[in-house]
Amino acid sequence: GESVGLHLPTLSVQEGDNSIINCAYSNSASDYFIWYKQESGKGPQFIIDIRSNMDKRQGQRVTVLLNKTVKHLSLQIAATQPGDSAVYFCAENISGYSTLTFGKGTMLLVSP
Amino acid sequence: ETGVTQTPRHLVMGMTNKKSLKCEQHLGHNAMYWYKQSAKKPLELMFVYSLEERVENNSVPSRFSPECPNSSHLFLHLHTLQPEDSALYLCASSQEWGRRSEQYFGPGTRLTVT
Repeated sequence: GESVGLHLPTLSVQEGDNSIINCAYSNSASDYFIWYKQESGKGPQFIIDIRSNMDKRQGQRVTVLLNKTVKHLSLQIAATQPGDSAVYFCAENISGYSTLTFGKGTMLLVSP
Repeated sequence: ETGVTQTPRHLVMGMTNKKSLKCEQHLGHNAMYWYKQSAKKPLELMFVYSLEERVENNSVPSRFSPECPNSSHLFLHLHTLQPEDSALYLCASSQEWGRRSEQYFGPGTRLTVT
């Protein structure tokens, strides 16, 4: 079936490095994407979103890139900090449908 | 923290027990959601309420029964659960259902069925 998935289950980086978390989607009808961050013991927290009419969107220290040709989404975190350690997962929304489909998540571990 | 609160935060129950999870949102949103989060699985949408009306029910077993008495409160009533129902149950709300609006999540209830 069609799904949202992640390439790497765990990503370990050093503090100050840039992090890149990837997400693949298979449904070409998907036109809205969200990245969430989930810290231990907390619910998911919205980070950034992007619509399919864009290929890049920047937030504070985060950038989301969308490549519709290969159905790939990535989250870039600049100057990663220990507080960025969490599970990150993407979600997609298919045009005409109201619910989000979530990926499994990638654990980001930041070492001081 | 967030405008969505959930109680209890942790719950251990036997298979013959009846319990309820509570969610409250203080954001003035019109849509509320229940999700199940199991280890190594994506978030699974269980129920959606919009303006207190159930609008989605994703093939959830009848041992889970939602209730939405008003737009600020959402309950999940549990009875005769199975050990495989052990998971983190997350509540979320959004401004509207049916449009692309950000979902705000609560901290979840960690449920263990023994």
